[in-house]
Amino acid sequence: QLQLQESGPGLVNPSETLSLTCTVSGGSISSDTYYWAWIRQPPGKGLEWIGSVYYLGSTYYNPSLKSRVTMSVDTSKNQFSLKLSSVTAADTAVYYCATLIHGPTVNMDVFDIWGQGTLVIVSS
Amino acid sequence: SSDLTQDPAVSVALGQTVRITCQGDSLRTYYASWYQQKPGQAPLLVIYGKNNRPSGIPDRFSGSRSGNTASLTIIGAQAEDEADYYCNSRDSSGNHLELFGGGTQLTVL
Repeated sequence: QLQLQESGPGLVNPSETLSLTCTVSGGSISSDTYYWAWIRQPPGKGLEWIGSVYYLGSTYYNPSLKSRVTMSVDTSKNQFSLKLSSVTAADTAVYYCATLIHGPTVNMDVFDIWGQGTLVIVSS
Repeated sequence: SSDLTQDPAVSVALGQTVRITCQGDSLRTYYASWYQQKPGQAPLLVIYGKNNRPSGIPDRFSGSRSGNTASLTIIGAQAEDEADYYCNSRDSSGNHLELFGGGTQLTVL
């Protein structure tokens, strides 16, 4: 059974870069079944898709964050990562990594498996 | 369109039926997926595609679509169904962008 685990600093200074890693276990990040996604949730608010990355390197980002986001895959470590630059207090949130399946024959997208989430606070 | 709209809160009496809706232009093209989130937990996929349930999700959960509206129906709501529910679909712009609704807080009375 595929499992995901987020890791990274829980506190980031304003204007600096938030960096998180998601470790994939129980399966290969080089699977052609999945895209790998980051989703965040500010305290008391709803879910926001940050972006998705395929193991071959193609990326898709939320237009509202695109100028500050970089996602990548490290197949040797079975990990994928998120970097969000120039953070402010508005970036304080629980960050989730998740698998994203694009329906092969049906028009559907599914965030199938989620990590437990990691809280990142932006504060000096 | 880049929006999915959900009612902020819905309530249901224990054992009764409740429908949670999600509206958006993208739903004319893409099926919605539905996620249940309880306090302090990660979201959990409960419905995807035309009307599919992952293993372990009770059959009292079902999904449907009509025009630009997707619905999640719970027949015989249980106390443990009290949670926030989010819909999601791909944006229909063709740019592989993902949308989430604002979420519906379900209270089981």
